Amino acid sequence: NAGVTQTPKFRVLKTGQSMTLLCAQDMNHEYMYWYRQDPGMGLRLIHYSVGEGTTAKGEVPDGYNVSRLKKQNFLLGLESAAPSQTSVYFCASRDGNTEAFFGQGTRLTVV
Amino acid sequence: RKEVEQDPGPFNVPEGATVAFNCTYSNSASQSFFWYRQDCRKEPKLLMSVYSSGNEDGRFTAQLNRASQYISLLIRDSKLSDSATYLCVPYVDSGSARQLTFGSGTQLTVLP
Repeated sequence: NAGVTQTPKFRVLKTGQSMTLLCAQDMNHEYMYWYRQDPGMGLRLIHYSVGEGTTAKGEVPDGYNVSRLKKQNFLLGLESAAPSQTSVYFCASRDGNTEAFFGQGTRLTVV
Repeated sequence: RKEVEQDPGPFNVPEGATVAFNCTYSNSASQSFFWYRQDCRKEPKLLMSVYSSGNEDGRFTAQLNRASQYISLLIRDSKLSDSATYLCVPYVDSGSARQLTFGSGTQLTVLP
């Protein structure tokens, strides 16, 4: 069972470069989420989606864009990476009133 | 008031001790609650779900107090392997409240 898969797992970017993080889930979940976690901090919600074709802003959306063109995929884009976006990024999915399932995380460093 | 507040700790307890954490939430419409554990910046993993007044699973007990809007997690007979950060998340299934906000976590270290 794959569950939630994030790619890539590690990435180093130069300031100003762009990249896209992919989150794929095979559980047919409606809701998907992108979080970032900085050292010693909790999970902060960047964007989320309650269904295919829908997205909404979370707590810290600035500098990020998302798309949910297919139900199973939730993409997180950084148009112009900044050192402040160095973090661990987690994707999660859930359905109805159940718990969220997480991907293994993407460790991003912006130099 | 933050949506979800947790005592950050750290809680340092000896093996075999009983320890309890609280998590307060601001949205009285919260329907269900989840406790996750997170090891060293790995992905959070579900520890326990609470849909009514509480839940018990082995050494772990979650208790919900809707009147005071908090949920507690009790760990009995602590093991070294219980060392982790414990995250609380209440859930409301309507509109923008589906955004699933986590508490910042309580750090537990069980000492030999």
